[in-house]
Amino acid sequence: TQLLEQSPQFLSIQEGENLTVYCNSSSVFSSLQWYRQEPGEGPVLLVTVVTGGEVKKLKRLTFQFGDARKDSSLHITAAQPGDTGLYLCAGVYNQGGKLIFGQGTELSVKP
Amino acid sequence: KAGVTQTPRYLIKTRGQQVTLSCSPISGHRSVSWYQQTPGQGLQFLFEYFSETQRNKGNFPGRFSGRQFSNSRSEMNVSTLELGDSALYLCATASAANTEAFFGQGTRLTVV
Repeated sequence: TQLLEQSPQFLSIQEGENLTVYCNSSSVFSSLQWYRQEPGEGPVLLVTVVTGGEVKKLKRLTFQFGDARKDSSLHITAAQPGDTGLYLCAGVYNQGGKLIFGQGTELSVKP
Repeated sequence: KAGVTQTPRYLIKTRGQQVTLSCSPISGHRSVSWYQQTPGQGLQFLFEYFSETQRNKGNFPGRFSGRQFSNSRSEMNVSTLELGDSALYLCATASAANTEAFFGQGTRLTVV
């Protein structure tokens, strides 16, 4: 069974604080994706990490792929209310089109 | 470029009925995947179609089925609806060249 454990499930912070979301598995992925979903909408792709040890930055968001390609993290610096939403990690296997999602992290950033 | 279009957006059905949901992919995308999202289970993979063939299948009962047409549009069908089938059903499409998925807004199905 391919499982992705995402933590924390819920996070409520003040504007300006930093936070990290973790995504862990015992399986190796060909790549890993991070999505953000707002209420009433489908998930929107933020980034794909492919190489073990890879780090990608998207403005205040930093994504890291573990060396063994089994885990990943999302770090947000100086969070803003506009960052509020559900953050999802998804593992991609060499099977084309099938994503295994973590449970998601519900982030609330209060002004 | 139009995004992924799912219809209908909302649906209320009675237990025992059947339902058909539709997904129109981004132009040029031949892969269409379906996911079920619930508060308790999160996003779970149902199946994926590519060039009218089911390429991957998740762990859902046979009541859940799908198909893809020659224009890449896809439908999923759920027969003999149960209360537990109430969920947001999401469709995601991707080009043949990569696996970056683009999601539709989903169909919110409520079974009463």
